[in-house]
Amino acid sequence: GNSVTQMEGPVTLSEEAFLTINCTYTATGYPSLFWYVQYPGEGLQLLLKATKADDKGSNKGFEATYRKETTSFHLEKGSVQVSDSAVYFCALSDRTGANSKLTFGKGITLSVRP
Amino acid sequence: DSGVTQTPKHLITATGQRVTLRCSPRSGDLSVYWYQQSLDQGLQFLIQYYNGEERAKGNILERFSAQQFPDLHSELNLSSLELGDSALYFCASSPGTSGGLTTDTQYFGPGTRLTVL
Repeated sequence: GNSVTQMEGPVTLSEEAFLTINCTYTATGYPSLFWYVQYPGEGLQLLLKATKADDKGSNKGFEATYRKETTSFHLEKGSVQVSDSAVYFCALSDRTGANSKLTFGKGITLSVRP
Repeated sequence: DSGVTQTPKHLITATGQRVTLRCSPRSGDLSVYWYQQSLDQGLQFLIQYYNGEERAKGNILERFSAQQFPDLHSELNLSSLELGDSALYFCASSPGTSGGLTTDTQYFGPGTRLTVL
């Protein structure tokens, strides 16, 4: 079955540091890939997505590239801010058929110090 | 604001009780998904409805059921509640397709936090 593996957390960075959060996946077919973010006390917000190999999703300074050869979708940001402190989830959606349920990784907590 | 609404925001109840969680999808979205977020299991898919019909089931217990109404809002019913059912329950919606390949993005509501005492 489908699965998503995220690097172990938590991650603590200083403001303006470079961020990488690793995500690898196992899937049949050609999944769409997503990063969702959950701020404290809130629901999940879509951060970015990519629907095919070599696509790059980007939003709010975050980027991730769909790498089919390494089955990866690592999240990066060049300079983090305190406001980026949140839990980040990598997810995939099986695009075959009308069932596009999301399979999530365990999530990783990012804390950014001033 | 994703456009997906969920009520109530918080729910505290006792073991053995039954509760109903409500979700209104984004305007025009036909698909509704329910997910459970707990500390030990993470985010787990429960069930999907498309235009009033059940489309897919995930790790949903037999004590749990859901439905989607003609106005497309959905309800998740949890019965014979146990301590382990305490979790955050999310609803998500997407435009949905009737078949074939889909690239639907799911938009999540703020969640209902259920506490079973």
